[in-house]
Amino acid sequence: DAGVIQSPRHEVTEMGQEVTLRCKPISGHDYLFWYRQTMMRGLELLIYFNNNVPIDDSGMPEDRFSAKMPNASFSTLKIQPSEPRDSAVYFCASSTTSGANVLTFGAGSRLTVL
Amino acid sequence: AQRVTQPEKLLSVFKGAPVELKCNYSYSGSPELFWYVQYSRQRLQLLLRHISRESIKGFTADLNKGETSFHLKKPFAQEEDSAMYYCALMGSGGYNKLIFGAGTRLAVHP
Repeated sequence: DAGVIQSPRHEVTEMGQEVTLRCKPISGHDYLFWYRQTMMRGLELLIYFNNNVPIDDSGMPEDRFSAKMPNASFSTLKIQPSEPRDSAVYFCASSTTSGANVLTFGAGSRLTVL
Repeated sequence: AQRVTQPEKLLSVFKGAPVELKCNYSYSGSPELFWYVQYSRQRLQLLLRHISRESIKGFTADLNKGETSFHLKKPFAQEEDSAMYYCALMGSGGYNKLIFGAGTRLAVHP
C-alpha cells in the first residue's frame, strides 16, 4: 500500500489563480481529513469526510476554499482565487472507524502563492 | 469546544537531558489523546496514544484528567528525537474529528 497519496507535492502560483490539491486515501478508509499547517498556527483541521460525505467544514477559512469527495478514492481541495496568506502545507489524512482513530497522513502539498 | 494547547513553540535540550513537552486540553467529555511526531522530511505519524499506555522510543505520556494535561516525557533525550511534536485530541460522540495543538519543536543538541 502506497499510503495516502497527495499531489502536487509543490505548487507555486500567483495571487488570484485557482489552486487544486488532490488526495487519494488508503483503500478501505472511510474518513478523510484536510489539514493546513503553518508556522504560526500549526495544524488546523479544514474539513473532514465520512463515507464521502462532508461532516464538518467549520475550519474552512472562507468561501474561497471548497472541498469535494466524489468517490471513496479521491478528494480535492480547491482555492479560488488564491491569496498569499494561503501559503502553507496542506495535508490529507485518512482513517478507518475500526482503526483505533489513528490517522495516516500524506506527504503534504506545499503551496506558495506569490 | 475542543481545544489543545501546547505552550512551547520550541524546546531546546542537550543530549541525555530529560524532556517534557507540555500539552493541555479543553473538552467537557472523555477525550482520547494522542501524540504525533514529524521528523525532518518525513510524514506526520502517530507516536503514542493514551489508551495504549505504552512507551514508544522511550517516550511516555500520562493523561491527567484533573489537570487536563497529557504531557510527553522522556528521561534521556537523544539527537534523533529532534522533531516537531503535536498533541491531539479526539472527542467522544462517534465522530473521528482530531484536533491538534500548535506543535512544539524539540531540538536535541549534542
